[in-house]
Amino acid sequence: QKEVEQNSGPLSVPEGAIASLNCTYSDRGSQSFFWYRQYSGKSPELIMSIYSNGDKEDGRFTAQLNKASQYVSLLIRDSQPSDSATYLCAVKASGGGADGLTFGKGTHLIIQP
Amino acid sequence: EAQVTQNPRYLITVTGKKLTVTCSQNMNHEYMSWYRQDPGLGLRQIYYSMNVEVTDKGDVPEGYKVSRKEKRNFPLILESPSPNQTSLYFCASSYSGGASNQPQHFGDGTRLSIL
Repeated sequence: QKEVEQNSGPLSVPEGAIASLNCTYSDRGSQSFFWYRQYSGKSPELIMSIYSNGDKEDGRFTAQLNKASQYVSLLIRDSQPSDSATYLCAVKASGGGADGLTFGKGTHLIIQP
Repeated sequence: EAQVTQNPRYLITVTGKKLTVTCSQNMNHEYMSWYRQDPGLGLRQIYYSMNVEVTDKGDVPEGYKVSRKEKRNFPLILESPSPNQTSLYFCASSYSGGASNQPQHFGDGTRLSIL
């Protein structure tokens, strides 16, 4: 059974600070990792993808991947109130399989003005 | 505009009355999938389709049917809905399900209530 674990939160961060969201996964064969943002009652929106070990930066967002530790994280710099949402970590197994994404249950992030 | 369109967005119905939730994508994606999202349980995959006429069960397929007669459409069918199928449903698509680096794009969701 593939599992993706996230701390449900809520994680409360002051405006302007760095928010750090973490995710661990059980399937060592996982190759692709995605972070989605979901506002309450809305659909998940892709914000970052990462496929190889190390850091990947996109604007205020940085995704970090460590396959040896089966760990992926998302850093949000200069946090804004509009970043308040639930962040879903999603993992996909190695290519060739027909599996969809396995999602974590999400971390609820609150940015305090 | 590239999008995944679900209809209806909201539906309240009664136990046993067959219903269909439609899903259409305009991105020529091969892979389409249905998820349900419940509080405390997260997103769980119901069914997926790798291409036209190819469908398979996800993690929670009981009580649901799907079809993929055309590449762009992937309807979700509840033949005899029950209250435990009350949930928020999402359709998603990606260029290719077999290629691991393809992200999925989600529709706006359908909030379904079965009384």
